[in-house]
Amino acid sequence: NAGVMQNPRHLVRRRGQEARLRCSPMKGHSHVYWYRQLPEEGLKFMVYLQKENIIDESGMPKERFSAEFPKEGPSILRIQQVVRGDSAAYFCASSPINLAQNTGELFFGEGSRLTVL
Amino acid sequence: GQNIDQPTEMTATEGAIVQINCTYQTSGFNGLFWYQQHAGEAPTFLSYNVLDGLEEKGRFSSFLSRSKGYSYLLLKELQMKDSASYLCAVRDGDYKLSFGAGTTVTVRA
Repeated sequence: NAGVMQNPRHLVRRRGQEARLRCSPMKGHSHVYWYRQLPEEGLKFMVYLQKENIIDESGMPKERFSAEFPKEGPSILRIQQVVRGDSAAYFCASSPINLAQNTGELFFGEGSRLTVL
Repeated sequence: GQNIDQPTEMTATEGAIVQINCTYQTSGFNGLFWYQQHAGEAPTFLSYNVLDGLEEKGRFSSFLSRSKGYSYLLLKELQMKDSASYLCAVRDGDYKLSFGAGTTVTVRA
């Protein structure tokens, strides 16, 4: 019974390159959330997706960042033309149904740590 | 905006009790959560409060006062493995969790 799987766990990119982070939710979960965590800061909400739909991307920068959750395959967080300020841990979480309908427990992956040189 | 405050660090002795306070000012309220996060690992769910009062789960308890915008997480009979960061989070709508910066608890022998 695998949990939320994220890869890569660590990613190093040079400024201007692209970063792609993948997240496979827990089996049976159809809701995916991406959060960013900077050192000494809390988890910051970026985007909430259901299969083939972006529900809320209010926390995601308008430029260079995009997210998808296709019908088949993992959710992808894509960062184009990375800059040093993008260096952070990116966490994916999943839930089985809309959180309003249950206690709201999110199941987190172990994160992808992006370092931009 | 959301404002969730918790102490940055706390230190306690093995076997002791530690209380981590969290105050919040959010545009809405639909539940308060506590998560535990060991360094380099995934946050894991500890507790959920939506009504005022105390929720007890083994060595961990969480308290909520909605009128005061206040919660605490109580860790009893501390063990070395409890050394971790503890994250307070508020759900202000249907799904979005806003997190505090976390409290790093260090348990000493």
